Amino acid sequence: NAGVTQTPKFQVLKTGQSMTLQCAQDMNHEYMSWYRQDPGMGLRLIHYSVGAGITDQGEVPNGYNVSRSTTEDFPLRLLSAAPSQTSVYFCASSYQGGRAKETQYFGPGTRLLVL
Amino acid sequence: AQKITQTQPGMFVQEKEAVTLDCTYDTSDQSYGLFWYKQPSSGEMIFLIYQGSYDEQNATEGRYSLNFQKARKSANLVISASQLGDSAMYFCAMREGFYNQGGKLIFGQGTELSVKP
Repeated sequence: NAGVTQTPKFQVLKTGQSMTLQCAQDMNHEYMSWYRQDPGMGLRLIHYSVGAGITDQGEVPNGYNVSRSTTEDFPLRLLSAAPSQTSVYFCASSYQGGRAKETQYFGPGTRLLVL
Repeated sequence: AQKITQTQPGMFVQEKEAVTLDCTYDTSDQSYGLFWYKQPSSGEMIFLIYQGSYDEQNATEGRYSLNFQKARKSANLVISASQLGDSAMYFCAMREGFYNQGGKLIFGQGTELSVKP
């Protein structure tokens, strides 16, 4: 059981380049989400998905696209990278429903530098 | 709009002493959940403790406890008997609603805790 995996761990891009950050989970979780972490600002939600084929925007969606064709995978696409997208990106998954302390399972993060 | 505020950017504590990390939140929902996460220098997010808005007792998990004061909208994390391994960034987070709805969390800015030997 690998949990939530993210690739790559580190990436350097030039302004205007595109790339896809990969995220996969093997826990059969319905929910998956992407956050970015900037210094002094905590984590902010970019996009999230409540199931295959269903995605929605979070707090800071501009410049990012997502799709979810399978339960396991939730890639994040940067169509034209900008220096403002330099950040650490976390993917997370969780299961639906329940009243208890269901927690998010976070991936190890992808550190992105846009020059 | 929902918001989490952590007013202590950095804190120091002596090893074996207790420390309180502050967190206040703002929401118009009656149902919500509050979380604390630890992020060591290695970068991973580690879940510490959870408090539901309807929970009457303060949550405890080992050396961690959550001082939940609903009327004041505060959810402070108390770490008893600090250890050197507790040195890390700590984030308070909130989920609106009784149930997990999409895995959406709002995070505070974080508090960096340094434990001195």
